[in-house]
Amino acid sequence: KAGVTQTPRYLIKTRGQQVTLSCSPISGHRSVSWYQQTPGQGLQFLFEYFSETQRNKGNFPGRFSGRQFSNSRSEMNVSTLELGDSALYLCASTGGELETQYFGPGTRLLVL
Amino acid sequence: QKEVEQNSGPLSVPEGAIASLNCTYSDRGSQSFFWYRQYSGKSPELIMFIYSNGDKEDGRFTAQLNKASQYVSLLIRDSQPSDSATYLCAVNGNAGGTSYGKLTFGQGTILTVHP
Repeated sequence: KAGVTQTPRYLIKTRGQQVTLSCSPISGHRSVSWYQQTPGQGLQFLFEYFSETQRNKGNFPGRFSGRQFSNSRSEMNVSTLELGDSALYLCASTGGELETQYFGPGTRLLVL
Repeated sequence: QKEVEQNSGPLSVPEGAIASLNCTYSDRGSQSFFWYRQYSGKSPELIMFIYSNGDKEDGRFTAQLNKASQYVSLLIRDSQPSDSATYLCAVNGNAGGTSYGKLTFGQGTILTVHP
């Protein structure tokens, strides 16, 4: 089976812009979770989607949003980018025993 | 108190030694526990999961869970330089409810295995 794919892998934006990141889960997995990883805060949960519905959301401002399509692919959007949004954004595909999460390679976002 | 805490690192062990990584969690209702390895500049890679009290072995790795003490550990036997990475402990909360799709991570322990 192919793993989790994320595009783009690297992104440079300036403050105030918006960005859309994409994630394709492992075939057959219907749940996708998004995380932000920074050196200071570690891995923090953004939100989770299952069958096109957001079931859970972390403590991030409304500038962070997401959606899931009928083929389970997911996108997350960050509007009005701030310098502090510079991070590695990870998508995890959930399936198998114990709803194990498998991570994609991540998108590294740099906001200037 | 942080929800998931890992022993502070960095941890340095000689090649061939046993590396011991520890993790405690605050939510007594937590159901399942995961160890991920993350190499510098890469994404987390699943090593093991455990949900029952006791030990679970997979090759050179052994995960140990003690729910009464709210404690999870990972032992790496015969450590190799290629094991040098950050090890992340992650906890899945109560089934369903507010825990859908959410893993809570510790801050990670950096392990260095020197030849």
